[in-house]
Amino acid sequence: EVPLVESGGGLVKPGESLRLSCGTSGINFNNAWMTWVRQAPGKGLEWVGRIKDRSQGATVDYAAPVKGRFTISRDDSKTSVYLQMNSLKTEDTAVYFCTIGLCINNDCHWDDAFDIWGQGTMVTVSS
Amino acid sequence: QSALTQPPSASGSPGQSVTVSCTGTSSDVGHYNYVSWYQHHPGKAPRLILYGVTERPSGVPDRFSGSKSGNTASLTVSGLQAEDEADYYCASYTGNINNLVVFGGGTKLTVL
Repeated sequence: EVPLVESGGGLVKPGESLRLSCGTSGINFNNAWMTWVRQAPGKGLEWVGRIKDRSQGATVDYAAPVKGRFTISRDDSKTSVYLQMNSLKTEDTAVYFCTIGLCINNDCHWDDAFDIWGQGTMVTVSS
Repeated sequence: QSALTQPPSASGSPGQSVTVSCTGTSSDVGHYNYVSWYQHHPGKAPRLILYGVTERPSGVPDRFSGSKSGNTASLTVSGLQAEDEADYYCASYTGNINNLVVFGGGTKLTVL
């Protein structure tokens, strides 16, 4: 069983929108802070944003290049996190991963050690 | 913050040791002991191999070790094995809500 599975990628034109989903299984989702990371073709990994759990107000922080265009949300009833991408640009072309921080005996590294990753979903923005 | 700086490539023969550097600034690597390293075989999910500069998650061999001096962190892979050939990325927490985590550009490790 794969803990994290991304879906929703595809080919879109500049200015269009796309919504990615990350379904989870076998993890304590309600308490988890979920992060999105992307990798452009031939480039390194790039942090996109993170949503905290509901007890922390489901607060979201975003990387500067996507702030105002991307929205991260969560549905605890479906143990899923979403990445709504609007006003897409060619430079948003990348594989998008969802990931979750390492937890050891309730000591969780939500923002500094990404332990479980999905396989990623490819987003291509091209005219 | 800009991306952390890693050499694009590194190599070593089986059994040898290789060290990969990761240079940041006094705002990220130099300020926090929250450096992590990831092994990535293209097409697969990245794998956390070190966190907190020196800590190994369960299941990661002790052939992988980490250190930090000033603004530069390092990953050392000892006793190189063929399966270690992969891309390696460092990352650091920054405390900046506009870019909470900064990654390195990646190092392609080749086992000769």
